[in-house]
Amino acid sequence: GAGVSQSPSNKVTEKGKDVELRCDPISGHTALYWYRQSLGQGLEFLIYFQGNSAPDKSGLPSDRFSAERTGGSVSTLTIQRTQQEDSAVYLCASSLDISGGLQNTQYFGPGTRLTVL
Amino acid sequence: AQKVTQAQTEISVVEKEDVTLDCVYETRDTTYYLFWYKQPPSGELVFLIRRNSFDEQNEISGRYSWNFQKSTSSFNFTITASQVVDSAVYFCALKRNAGNMLTFGGGTRLMVKP
Repeated sequence: GAGVSQSPSNKVTEKGKDVELRCDPISGHTALYWYRQSLGQGLEFLIYFQGNSAPDKSGLPSDRFSAERTGGSVSTLTIQRTQQEDSAVYLCASSLDISGGLQNTQYFGPGTRLTVL
Repeated sequence: AQKVTQAQTEISVVEKEDVTLDCVYETRDTTYYLFWYKQPPSGELVFLIRRNSFDEQNEISGRYSWNFQKSTSSFNFTITASQVVDSAVYFCALKRNAGNMLTFGGGTRLMVKP
């Protein structure tokens, strides 16, 4: 079946603008994750959803970052008033669920490359 | 706190050579999961393998093999008879049983030259 998809694949924006990044998980996957990959910080966890609920938002780097998930499917990561340090590749992943066992293996999308000028 | 260390930032080999990518992890948990992902130039992280902390059996899949040793907190990855298509960045990752985030190592860039 189809894998995780993300849009846009590339986004260039000006400092101070808001951006929205979208993630479509694998069909039937109840858990969804956002990570950020940057040169200086490597791969960092941002937030995860179980269904539409995000129990742990502590990974979000600042209050300019927010995320939501609707219908247990599509998720949107929003960055308000973007800064140059937000430039990175934002990766989304999904898993069947969050239980132990094979079901929690995370499968990643191709990412959105965000450049803030 | 969890930590994953991939000491080799970059490895260059000639095609058909064997290469081992090292991964050392730190965790206080007794139950945890280890993963390897491949990131080719296209950028997508591709899942390769997963290992549970209570299963130290090594695994071989074609040219790939993994050596998990709890005694040394290592989960090393060997590619036998490397090919140019193996060129990518490889990430080792750790997941707690109770948590949901993956803690990644810094990655090892493997370059296989023809």
